[in-house]
Amino acid sequence: NAGVTQTPKFRILKIGQSMTLQCAQDMNHNYMYWYRQDPGMGLKLIYYSVGAGITDKGEVPNGYNVSRSTTEDFPLRLELAAPSQTSVYFCASSKTVDLNTEAFFGQGTRLTVV
Amino acid sequence: DAKTTQPTSMDCAEGRAANLPCNHSTISGNEYVYWYRQIHSQGPQYIIHGLKNNETNEMASLIITEDRKSSTLILPHATLRDTAVYYCIVIRGGGNKLTFGTGTQLKVEL
Repeated sequence: NAGVTQTPKFRILKIGQSMTLQCAQDMNHNYMYWYRQDPGMGLKLIYYSVGAGITDKGEVPNGYNVSRSTTEDFPLRLELAAPSQTSVYFCASSKTVDLNTEAFFGQGTRLTVV
Repeated sequence: DAKTTQPTSMDCAEGRAANLPCNHSTISGNEYVYWYRQIHSQGPQYIIHGLKNNETNEMASLIITEDRKSSTLILPHATLRDTAVYYCIVIRGGGNKLTFGTGTQLKVEL
């Protein structure tokens, strides 16, 4: 049982490049989330999904896209990388509907845009 | 979801109890209080949650006031490994978003 797995762990992008941050969970959780965390700051919700085929915007969705074709995977897409997107990105998952439970987080992807 | 207010930072001596307060004065009846912590930029880790009653698990205790407008997370015997940012979050029952504030930086010292 691997939990939440994020790849890659580190990445350097040039301005204008695109990339996909991968997130997979093996706990059969319906809820999945993407956050970004700038240095010294708290986590900001980018996008979330309550099940396969359903996604919604969080607090800071601009510049990102997501898809949820399967329960297990929730990739985050950056189309035109900008220096402002330099951050640590965390993916998380939790059970659906019943919030009397906990969210599990991946170890993060550290992205630098230069 | 109700907003929360936490002190920016706190210090605690190793072996002593760490009491981390959280104010959530606008909490409504179906909203839970959750605590997470984040150690040195790792992914956040769930600690404990509660609705009305006080809760205890192997990591911590959660004390919720009778009016539910504030709560305290208690680490009974803090160690250096408990140095982390602690987040108090209020989540509506049946809600679907998990959002974080700025949290409290707890520093446990010898």
